Amino acid sequence: GAGVSQSPSNKVTEKGKDVELRCDPISGHTALYWYRQSLGQGLEFLIYFQGNSAPDKSGLPSDRFSAERTGGSVSTLTIQRTQQEDSAVYLCASSLISGGLGEQFFGPGTRLTVL
Amino acid sequence: DQQVKQNSPSLSVQEGRISILNCDYTNSMFDYFLWYKKYPAEGPTFLISISSIKDKNEDGRFTVFLNKSAKHLSLHIVPSQPGDSAVYFCAATDTGRRALTFGSGTRLQVQP
Repeated sequence: GAGVSQSPSNKVTEKGKDVELRCDPISGHTALYWYRQSLGQGLEFLIYFQGNSAPDKSGLPSDRFSAERTGGSVSTLTIQRTQQEDSAVYLCASSLISGGLGEQFFGPGTRLTVL
Repeated sequence: DQQVKQNSPSLSVQEGRISILNCDYTNSMFDYFLWYKKYPAEGPTFLISISSIKDKNEDGRFTVFLNKSAKHLSLHIVPSQPGDSAVYFCAATDTGRRALTFGSGTRLQVQP
């Protein structure tokens, strides 16, 4: 069975450029999350999508960060005018929520390096 | 301000012995706690969880203990196996929010 997939697996970009990171959640999962893990740190919540509800954007660190989820499935995280401090592993997770808390299934991540 | 803290960055134990990983939290709104395991170049995988209405949850070799008054939880692995060597993350949430707050992780190494 297919798990959460993310692309690209690695991305190297120059400071000031825009990047797009993609997440394909597990089919049928209604909730989708983006986290990032900076070197030596834990996972930091960025944004959460649940069905057709307005996303919880409370974790986005600046207005350079945005995310979309089209058709309730694939999600794209966009970072505009990248900075060196944006370098991290960006992880996507999905879950099936049916009343209670759903276990989150993580993708392998995209390692972003901003030079 | 770290709301979930794992104060031990690493732990080494002998195969067959017990591994105890600790986690402290500060947010009294948290009511659901999870442990995830992460291997290099992979995403975290869910291990075990506990609701705040319980103080213990067991699944095979893994047991999670929750002490609400101390805002402390621990993961016990017994017996430890070399395949358990990984980074373990403690995470917490409140059921109204669902997004997880993670600790910084503890690297467990189980020596054969």
